[in-house]
Amino acid sequence: DAGVIQSPRHEVTEMGQEVTLRCKPISGHDYLFWYRQTMMRGLELLIYFNNNVPIDDSGMPEDRFSAKMPNASFSTLKIQPSEPRDSAVYFCASSYRRDGPYEQYFGPGTRLTVT
Amino acid sequence: AQTVTQSQPEMSVQEAETVTLSCTYDTSESDYYLFWYKQPPSRQMILVIRQEAYKQQNATENRFSVNFQKAAKSFSLKISDSQLGDAAMYFCAYRSPPLSGTYKYIFGTGTRLKVLA
Repeated sequence: DAGVIQSPRHEVTEMGQEVTLRCKPISGHDYLFWYRQTMMRGLELLIYFNNNVPIDDSGMPEDRFSAKMPNASFSTLKIQPSEPRDSAVYFCASSYRRDGPYEQYFGPGTRLTVT
Repeated sequence: AQTVTQSQPEMSVQEAETVTLSCTYDTSESDYYLFWYKQPPSRQMILVIRQEAYKQQNATENRFSVNFQKAAKSFSLKISDSQLGDAAMYFCAYRSPPLSGTYKYIFGTGTRLKVLA
């Protein structure tokens, strides 16, 4: 299994630009999570999906952030417009409800820098 | 709401020695799951060990073991025979049981482990 795949690995953009981060979960997993990691705030859950449906988006910081999961094998996190304070590492993770303790498997992350 | 606290921002251990990382949590649930994740400089989050709250026996994975004290709500990670490759940030995480209706993980703030040669 290839694991959770995220793209791009690094993104540098200018303030005001739209940024789209992509994630492909492990095949067969029915939960998908988006996290943001910064030095100041640690690892924060932004949103999670079950069977492609958003379940909890209470962690999404503001309306500039949106996430979609059009099918079981693809999800996007979009920031529009981007701001310097959005600079962080964004992780996608997936898990399988019936897989025992339901541990999450993380992707390699996308390091976003907004200048 | 559940919380996870890691009170040691940074720890150091001599190579081949043993180190224990602390984690406490707060919950009113009786059935839940606890995890330790490792994040090396590559930033990939790697599952180290997991513990089901209903199991009294402490989980062990090779050189990694936990001391799970349910009444005290404590979940420490012991690394034996520390190796240079163990140097990383370690995160403790809590997960509610499936019947709670939530699949959120609550992560601690992490402990950075340095291994000295």
